[in-house]
Amino acid sequence: TQLLEQSPQFLSIQEGENLTVYCNSSSVFSSLQWYRQEPGEGPVLLVTVVTGGEVKKLKRLTFQFGDARKDSSLHITAAQPGDTGLYLCAGKQGTYKYIFGTGTRLKVLA
Amino acid sequence: NAGVTQTPKFQVLKTGQSMTLQCAQDMNHNSMYWYRQDPGMGLRLIYYSASEGTTDKGEVPNGYNVSRLNKREFSLRLESAAPSQTSVYFCASSDINQPQHFGDGTRLSIL
Repeated sequence: TQLLEQSPQFLSIQEGENLTVYCNSSSVFSSLQWYRQEPGEGPVLLVTVVTGGEVKKLKRLTFQFGDARKDSSLHITAAQPGDTGLYLCAGKQGTYKYIFGTGTRLKVLA
Repeated sequence: NAGVTQTPKFQVLKTGQSMTLQCAQDMNHNSMYWYRQDPGMGLRLIYYSASEGTTDKGEVPNGYNVSRLNKREFSLRLESAAPSQTSVYFCASSDINQPQHFGDGTRLSIL
């Protein structure tokens, strides 16, 4: 059973455009992480959000955790070709287990 | 810094064959994980080991076994491979409340 749905599944945009990726669940998570994965490599952590309503910024990337800790969003401002990749959210359940989202594959065209 | 090392990187098996995927981490992490990644399904947890000497089932454990050999090493075994187990397998390690660090994956095809 997939508990974390990401949308959109695919996104192809021009350099300089803005975009938002959504991660939604009916379950509550103690924290939520966002990863980016390049072809042939494992996911690499971008950010962890812990508190409901929390907003974190990482240069042009803004991450928000929903007030009820069931959903999250990733907003990229002025996308660049280097942002191309697979973006994954992962919600933490219990002490050790993480549930990963279905993934959003982003392509930024120069 | 090696981080999490997985071997082999690629493997092709015939249905019914067995094999063991190896994972080692050099970050002195207590917890280790095995995931499989299939198109459109993100990563699904197969097994995890919260600490040396313990292992627990994840979302999709059927057809797999694991061994936490020591603090550094966590192996995944397919006793009788099936085509449905064709996937990319990732190992990860972490400490409590710390982010997971992933290896680069093993690409496994079962014919």
